[in-house]
Amino acid sequence: DVKVTQSSRYLVKRTGEKVFLECVQDMDHENMFWYRQDPGLGLRLIYFSYDVKMKEKGDIPEGYSVSREKKERFSLILESASTNQTSMYLCASSAPPGQGFSYNEQFFGPGTRLTVL
Amino acid sequence: QQQVKQSPQSLIVQKGGISIINCAYENTAFDYFPWYQQFPGKGPALLIAIRPDVSEKKEGRFTISFNKSAKQFSLHIMDSQPGDSATYFCAASNSGTYKYIFGTGTRLKVLA
Repeated sequence: DVKVTQSSRYLVKRTGEKVFLECVQDMDHENMFWYRQDPGLGLRLIYFSYDVKMKEKGDIPEGYSVSREKKERFSLILESASTNQTSMYLCASSAPPGQGFSYNEQFFGPGTRLTVL
Repeated sequence: QQQVKQSPQSLIVQKGGISIINCAYENTAFDYFPWYQQFPGKGPALLIAIRPDVSEKKEGRFTISFNKSAKQFSLHIMDSQPGDSATYFCAASNSGTYKYIFGTGTRLKVLA
């Protein structure tokens, strides 16, 4: 089974702190994604990465950065956390078609609920 | 043009009833339409998906109906069960990017 793990299930930080959210996948997937989930807004893409050291902005990248130094690990960084970044953060990974998975299927981790006080 | 509009926001159905969730899109370049199911405390997981070359796909009690001309697709859950109570997200993707555009989600509650 594909497994996507996230470093914390719950996190409480103070405004202005630097926050690291870590995600690890064990299926050698090229693509990795960070979303935030807010009620009524669904899943919004923050950043994604299609290869080591490669990244692209998603729909809401402001206030976030990412790092992908190894294929299995994708980190989301909040340089200076703010209260409006309180949210559920979901990491996902996917493989290109032809690697034995349903076309484009994304596999999600359990999420990190971040509260910024 | 990149949006996927999902309705309703919430849905309450009696056990044994039919649950219907609708999505609409604008971008005709989308060529993959998955539905994800999310239980409380868990990440979303793929439930069923369709490509635009077919108008319907059925897996057990779950059916996607796809109307290419109207740019709409819907999820039908037949004989809904309390265990189906979850949040459902539709999404759309195009093969050039691997990115999904998600709908806003529908919280389904099936009453016993």
